[in-house]
Amino acid sequence: DIQMTQSPSAMSASVGDRVTITCRASQAIDNYLTWFQQKPGKVPKRLIYAASSLQSGVPSRFSGGGSGTEFTLTISSLQPEDFATYYCLQHHSYPLTFGGGTKVEIK
Amino acid sequence: EVQLVESGGGLVQPGGSLRLSCAASGFIFSDRYMDWVRQAPGKGLEWVGRIRNSANSYTTEYAASVKGRFTILRDDSRNSVYLQMSSLKTEDTAVYFCARSTSNWDDMLENWGQGTLVTVSS
Repeated sequence: DIQMTQSPSAMSASVGDRVTITCRASQAIDNYLTWFQQKPGKVPKRLIYAASSLQSGVPSRFSGGGSGTEFTLTISSLQPEDFATYYCLQHHSYPLTFGGGTKVEIK
Repeated sequence: EVQLVESGGGLVQPGGSLRLSCAASGFIFSDRYMDWVRQAPGKGLEWVGRIRNSANSYTTEYAASVKGRFTILRDDSRNSVYLQMSSLKTEDTAVYFCARSTSNWDDMLENWGQGTLVTVSS
């Protein structure tokens, strides 16, 4: 199975900060990576697919990058509604596997 | 508008069985792959399994943790997908989400249902 390692597991940031979350795959997955946002008690929401394609309706402050084994999710200017947990998902091969999540909290 | 509505969750004893349903609307259900994902209380997301569409013979994939115990089925005439769970363990306690995907490898889990809670406890 492909292991997905997210870092950091948690972070504190202020409104307006630039935030970068990293996801590393245990083997190359091309660009078959998706990022999700989940707020407490809510359903996961797809933000980025195919590593760097922005989901329709998602603000442009979110961006994704990388390929192979290292990927990033960047929020260019953190907004109050962005405090949430973020997950990466590899869909290069079965079983699909999620990263452990990154909780972004208010500083 | 895409809608996915899960039902069938509840309390079940270890070793028991339960069948979850997911009713879909707002898109051409028969074209899509459908996934199940679960989230244990306070934990992260875990992919459970997938059923492909008729063009791909309704074949399925499962996580190792549920293979042999869980079965995914679909009824395109009812726009529904099901998760049949048996030999349930306490570690299967989670919110179960259905999600729609496509056959494109770079386009997965676009929309999710609200989830249904399964509690396995004596």
